Amino acid sequence: AQTVTQSQPEMSVQEAETVTLSCTYDTSENNYYLFWYKQPPSRQMILVIRQEAYKQQNATENRFSVNFQKAAKSFSLKISDSQLGDTAMYFCAFMKVAGNNRKLIWGLGTSLAVNP
Amino acid sequence: EPEVTQTPSHQVTQMGQEVILRCVPISNHLYFYWYRQILGQKVEFLVSFYNNEISEKSEIFDDQFSVERPDGSNFTLKIRSTKLEDSAMYFCASSDPDWVEKLFFGSGTQLSVL
Repeated sequence: AQTVTQSQPEMSVQEAETVTLSCTYDTSENNYYLFWYKQPPSRQMILVIRQEAYKQQNATENRFSVNFQKAAKSFSLKISDSQLGDTAMYFCAFMKVAGNNRKLIWGLGTSLAVNP
Repeated sequence: EPEVTQTPSHQVTQMGQEVILRCVPISNHLYFYWYRQILGQKVEFLVSFYNNEISEKSEIFDDQFSVERPDGSNFTLKIRSTKLEDSAMYFCASSDPDWVEKLFFGSGTQLSVL
């Protein structure tokens, strides 16, 4: 069975600085996706960034980038130039590629506070 | 941008009562999901639905739970006899056939069972 672990329950960063959130996972699958979702106080889940396991190149979305280490089963999220609106819960999630099933396995989350 | 809509945003019910949580997925999406998030715990997969049938369900999704797409636009989750431990935020999600792995989530329904 797949598991996702986020070892940092809470983090904080000063506005405009850079912060890295950690995530490790366990799987025997070779083909899968990894995601970071953001959950602001409104509690809606918002996709931040996505990585396909078969791609060696790390995904980037504006200020958000990942460090994907497949052999180490590590998938960290870097937020550059942190903004107050980045304050949220961040979840790492795993998805196995298998037919029509697209089940997400979630980590426990990291609460990020961006301080002015 | 199109979005997944969930109603109600909050639902309070008595233990043993039936509840129906409603979702309107994005119109061209064909894959539908329910997840739940108990406060302080991991988000948990409940069920996925495709082509008018359940494609996968978790151990949580027992006989007390059912899903339905009654009219081609709504996607509902029914809990027949609620328990205290069903109190959670319930999220509906959908994805389209050309980008199945990108799930769009609704804002959730906070269910409180008293």
